[in-house]
Amino acid sequence: GAVVSQHPSRVICKSGTSVKIECRSLDFQATTMFWYRQFPKQSLMLMATSNEGSKATYEQGVEKDKFLINHASLTLSTLTVTSAHPEDSSFYICSARDSREGTDTQYFGPGTRLTVL
Amino acid sequence: AQKITQTQPGMFVQEKEAVTLDCTYDTSDPSYGLFWYKQPSSGEMIFLIYQGSYDQQNATEGRYSLNFQKARKSANLVISASQLGDSAMYFCAMREDQNPGGYNKLIFGAGTRLAVHP
Repeated sequence: GAVVSQHPSRVICKSGTSVKIECRSLDFQATTMFWYRQFPKQSLMLMATSNEGSKATYEQGVEKDKFLINHASLTLSTLTVTSAHPEDSSFYICSARDSREGTDTQYFGPGTRLTVL
Repeated sequence: AQKITQTQPGMFVQEKEAVTLDCTYDTSDPSYGLFWYKQPSSGEMIFLIYQGSYDQQNATEGRYSLNFQKARKSANLVISASQLGDSAMYFCAMREDQNPGGYNKLIFGAGTRLAVHP
């Protein structure tokens, strides 16, 4: 399958600071990437859809000014958690849509565990 | 209504035996895709298998097979010859190809935790 990387894998920050998470598709170009949040022992919750060269589409209830998404190239999307607070602590995971001929599968990054003190 | 339902919060199986993880779905879209992902304790989501709504045959990938029953709207995952490394959370997901929200979003079930015992 395709490879998606995510960086950093773990980050601890102070309340009020901003944190940037990178998601890269390593062996294919992804016009669409997705950002999810996962609470302990729960399923994945889609936060937003990131489209290369255009604005992200946010799911209902997700603050777009707090979770800034940039998809500047076909292999990179970033999620910035602005003015982070302890309630933002979570596991954030991205995926990239591989739409090459014959496949249309989302491949996931390894995730980023964010802890806000 | 839940679009993806996984009714088994937890399952256990003896090593080397087969296990079936249940998944039912609900959609009116004639074109859709069904996926299974594995999430070990490390957190990464590992793609296992895909079934398209128009595929005539059940998908298979090594020890994984998908028992696709379109009329019943079920897409159960069968793992044969279980191994200790199969212990993980397993998520069923659906992509609706004509979803007005576009972008081929995945809808996930709640997951099933599988424990393989020696």
